Amino acid sequence: DAKTTQPNSMESNEEEPVHLPCNHSTISGTDYIHWYRQLPSQGPEYVIHGLTSNVNNRMASLAIAEDRKSSTLILHRATLRDAAVYYCILSGGTSYGKLTFGQGTILTVHP
Amino acid sequence: KAGVTQTPRYLIKTRGQQVTLSCSPISGHRSVSWYQQTPGQGLQFLFEYFSETQRNKGNFPGRFSGRQFSNSRSEMNVSTLELGDSALYLCASSLAVGANTEAFFGQGTRLTVV
Repeated sequence: DAKTTQPNSMESNEEEPVHLPCNHSTISGTDYIHWYRQLPSQGPEYVIHGLTSNVNNRMASLAIAEDRKSSTLILHRATLRDAAVYYCILSGGTSYGKLTFGQGTILTVHP
Repeated sequence: KAGVTQTPRYLIKTRGQQVTLSCSPISGHRSVSWYQQTPGQGLQFLFEYFSETQRNKGNFPGRFSGRQFSNSRSEMNVSTLELGDSALYLCASSLAVGANTEAFFGQGTRLTVV
């Protein structure tokens, strides 16, 4: 499985944008970049995913580098409810439902 | 629309016993995956089922098994429980096949082995 690298932790203030980076230098051409987050005492929650182009949804934006070796999850206005562990995951064509979770980034949001 | 439902939410078992956990996917979802989460190892993939067939399996001993029924509901079984099997077991379901789809997770079953 292709590997991702994320900072162990990040901090933000409420209502400020947050940029969560992810490096995936060994990504293959068919790997999708997925982001999930896990709030305390809950199962992981899907945030966003993309292949080559930047993606936006109601939760966040995903900015993918032109060479696809890195990506950034953007939370436009952090709230206290966004405090969670954020996982950047690569999922390829033959993954058959397998998501390989790393250690993720613990995001702390200060009021 | 109801989410992924896992039962029971909490379970306490004794070493050597076996346990069966249940997962009801979102209606219409045919892919069900199982994960184990522990403080030391994080989230680890156990196996995935699609249309009653196991398509992928993680690196776990044979004591961990699963199955999927024709209505897409899935069960996982752990036999001869060990203390190290204490974990949060999570189930996820997906609508589509392949990597271009999102997974929806349940709240998990917290298993404690004593």
